[in-house]
Amino acid sequence: GENVEQHPSTLSVQEGDSAVIKCTYSDSASNYFPWYKQELGKRPQLIIDIRSNVGEKKDQRIAVTLNKTAKHFSLHITETQPEDSAVYFCAASLSGNTGKLIFGQGTTLQVKP
Amino acid sequence: EAGVTQSPTHLIKTRGQQATLRCSPISGHTSVYWYQQALGLGLQFLLWYDEGEERNRGNFPPRFSGRQFPNYSSELNVNALELEDSALYLCASSSQGANYGYTFGSGTRLTVV
Repeated sequence: GENVEQHPSTLSVQEGDSAVIKCTYSDSASNYFPWYKQELGKRPQLIIDIRSNVGEKKDQRIAVTLNKTAKHFSLHITETQPEDSAVYFCAASLSGNTGKLIFGQGTTLQVKP
Repeated sequence: EAGVTQSPTHLIKTRGQQATLRCSPISGHTSVYWYQQALGLGLQFLLWYDEGEERNRGNFPPRFSGRQFPNYSSELNVNALELEDSALYLCASSSQGANYGYTFGSGTRLTVV
């Protein structure tokens, strides 16, 4: 099936704390996993992505980990700042050239100053 | 470099009418993807156009259709509008395919009354 489950749906943290968002996918042939950040009233923007041949990728304060066996991947944000407040979407590709990404339902992250 | 541009920004239509949404991809990108972002439902794949051809469509009724022009811009048409068609319609483009990530436009907010 084609499904990506994302948790939690909302997350509130104190500035400086870490935030973790988790996703589980269903298609074992998925090989590309991007994360998008959507600020209020703005377009979703790609912030980091990972491929199935890599277990972890880091870019400054954000990192993504992938567990292919469990079909699970996570976004980690360290030292959160108020400007990290947004909706975050995980996504997974499908086997074959479908042009399609399956998105999770989104996580609303609120970073309190 | 101009990003993905969409027009109009907002569109208000009456139930039963037709809506036409437009998208211009990033220069050099031949693929255009359309997504529906309804409140609380995440991003749902609508259509993929590449080199003027429809390559894939999501689980939407036939009254959702579109086309891609020789300059790679695209149009999404929604016929016989229903109240539940109210959503943000996002267009994205890619130079290498979905497995390398999309760049989204800012979307068209369609409201059906």
